[in-house]
Amino acid sequence: AQKITQTQPGMFVQEKEAVTLDCTYDTSDPSYGLFWYKQPSSGEMIFLIYQGSYDQQNATEGRYSLNFQKARKSANLVISASQLGDSAMYFCAMTQRDGNNRLAFGKGNQVVVIP
Amino acid sequence: DAGVIQSPRHEVTEMGQEVTLRCKPISGHNSLFWYRQTMMRGLELLIYFNNNVPIDDSGMPEDRFSAKMPNASFSTLKIQPSEPRDSAVYFCASSSNGVPEAFFGQGTRLTVV
Repeated sequence: AQKITQTQPGMFVQEKEAVTLDCTYDTSDPSYGLFWYKQPSSGEMIFLIYQGSYDQQNATEGRYSLNFQKARKSANLVISASQLGDSAMYFCAMTQRDGNNRLAFGKGNQVVVIP
Repeated sequence: DAGVIQSPRHEVTEMGQEVTLRCKPISGHNSLFWYRQTMMRGLELLIYFNNNVPIDDSGMPEDRFSAKMPNASFSTLKIQPSEPRDSAVYFCASSSNGVPEAFFGQGTRLTVV
């Protein structure tokens, strides 16, 4: 069974600073995908970034980057140059690469960006 | 594209009543997922369809819950009879085979009193 662990308490980060959100996972599958989603206070789930287990490069999408350490089974999200609009819950998720894209989610990390 | 569309956005109902949540996936997507989010359990997958066929309903909590996908552009999640413990945010998401990310609707916030 897949398991995603996000254990950091709520975080306060200064505007324009970088923040790293931790995510570890457990799976016996050799092929899987890792995702980060953002959930602002309005409630919608917003896809941020994806990393495939066989991808050689760490994924980047604008201010978001994924620090993928396969041997350690970690997939930390780095948000650079934080903005007030980054205040939200952030969820790490994974799926098996069996073609169905079912997601198993972690409990989430709360981030509050302060001016 | 308008994205995944869910209705209603909010639903308040009395215990024992039937509740139907609706979802229109992104056009061209052939996988559809229903998730439930609660404070206690977080986000959990209820059921997943591929090409309109239910593939995995192991997350459906009990027989009071049922889901259908009569065509590629519409799905429903029904709770009958509803109970207060069903209060949660229900998300529908869709994705396309071969593309990893799933896109979520705005969610339906269900309150059963």
